[in-house]
Amino acid sequence: AQSVTQLDSQVPVFEEAPVELRCNYSSSVSVYLFWYVQYPNQGLQLLLKYLSGSTLVKGINGFEAEFNKSQTSFHLRKPSVHISDTAEYFCAVKKAAGNKLTFGGGTRVLVKP
Amino acid sequence: EPEVTQTPSHQVTQMGQEVILRCVPISNHLYFYWYRQILGQKVEFLVSFYNNEISEKSEIFDDQFSVERPDGSNFTLKIRSTKLEDSAMYFCASSTQGDTEAFFGQGTRLTVV
Repeated sequence: AQSVTQLDSQVPVFEEAPVELRCNYSSSVSVYLFWYVQYPNQGLQLLLKYLSGSTLVKGINGFEAEFNKSQTSFHLRKPSVHISDTAEYFCAVKKAAGNKLTFGGGTRVLVKP
Repeated sequence: EPEVTQTPSHQVTQMGQEVILRCVPISNHLYFYWYRQILGQKVEFLVSFYNNEISEKSEIFDDQFSVERPDGSNFTLKIRSTKLEDSAMYFCASSTQGDTEAFFGQGTRLTVV
């Protein structure tokens, strides 16, 4: 079975500062990795995904993430956040041969002016 | 842009009653899912559905739950004899294939009183 750990439940950050959200996973098989964002009162929206190839993936809204197989991590970063990035961010994994997502507990990002 | 739509956005029901949560997946998608998120907890997989049958389900998805695709566009989750602990946000999702990213609806908040 897969599991996902997001080490930070909340991350306060000032506008225009960088942010990094940590995600570690555990799996005995190959996985695909995803980051989803949930803005207040909205559903889950895909930010980016890693399926194969380059370990640095770029997503929407200036976010990027790096897959590190040896550390089983998939940390999400943005060099300069905006107020509109205030949301909850979820890391998720899926077995390469499966179709169910396993989510982390989420990280709530609060961007302060 | 195509999206997954869920109705209703909020549902309040009395304990012991049956509820049906409705979803319209993206039209060319073939895989359909239900997830739930109990307040303060992780997003959890319930069930996946493909080719008019359940392809995978979690241990949460017991005989109390059922899914159906009654026509070419809707995908429903029925919860029989609801319990207080069924109160949660229920997300519907769909994907083109089992191993591609899932697109989520905005969720139905179910409150059992």
